[in-house]
Amino acid sequence: GAVVSQHPSRVICKSGTSVKIECRSLDFQATTMFWYRQFPKKSLMLMATSNEGSKATYEQGVEKDKFLINHASLTLSTLTVTSAHPEDSSFYICSARVGDVSNQPQHFGDGTRLSIL
Amino acid sequence: SQQGEEDPQALSIQEGENATMNCSYKTSINNLQWYRQNSGRGLVHLILIRSNEREKHSGRLRVTLDTSKKSSSLLITASRAADTASYFCATGQLATGGYQKVTFGTGTKLQVIP
Repeated sequence: GAVVSQHPSRVICKSGTSVKIECRSLDFQATTMFWYRQFPKKSLMLMATSNEGSKATYEQGVEKDKFLINHASLTLSTLTVTSAHPEDSSFYICSARVGDVSNQPQHFGDGTRLSIL
Repeated sequence: SQQGEEDPQALSIQEGENATMNCSYKTSINNLQWYRQNSGRGLVHLILIRSNEREKHSGRLRVTLDTSKKSSSLLITASRAADTASYFCATGQLATGGYQKVTFGTGTKLQVIP
């Protein structure tokens, strides 16, 4: 149980393109989903917390207009990298938690490797 | 700076040996979690230990938590080549709004040599 599906797994596109990444909780409802960015050989950096039906909470230094997050349902959150540039190339990972109880682990998608040419 | 700092950054052992990874953190926590990441993949949750717990086991995994020292350790016993991966600790804290914020450590890259 607690499977999170992330799609696509890899994107290669030209500079200036907007890219949408989907994160779905397949067998549970996720009120809260999280979006992370991971640089090569580095840890995960939390970008934003996505709450169903409300605006996402962005971490300091993350551009809201650059990284648009939509959490339209209890099973789907999307991250759109708008007008992507080479410096946006990275590994993006989403996660979701089962319920809102604090002592619950997060379940992660398999990540999306974004390469901007 | 990272909430969790892991030590060592990299560890190479022979199959069958035990692997110990340590994690230190700076602020108070609700829980501490350990995750595993295979290269280029998402993270897999291993164990969650609450702030009022001191030790937890799951199969070949043993996690300890010392809140007075703000540190945790992950022990993998009788390691296997398939345990080769990066291991991250993550601290869970209550954030503004009541939800749990999880902050990841720097990770330990474990290589188990067959």
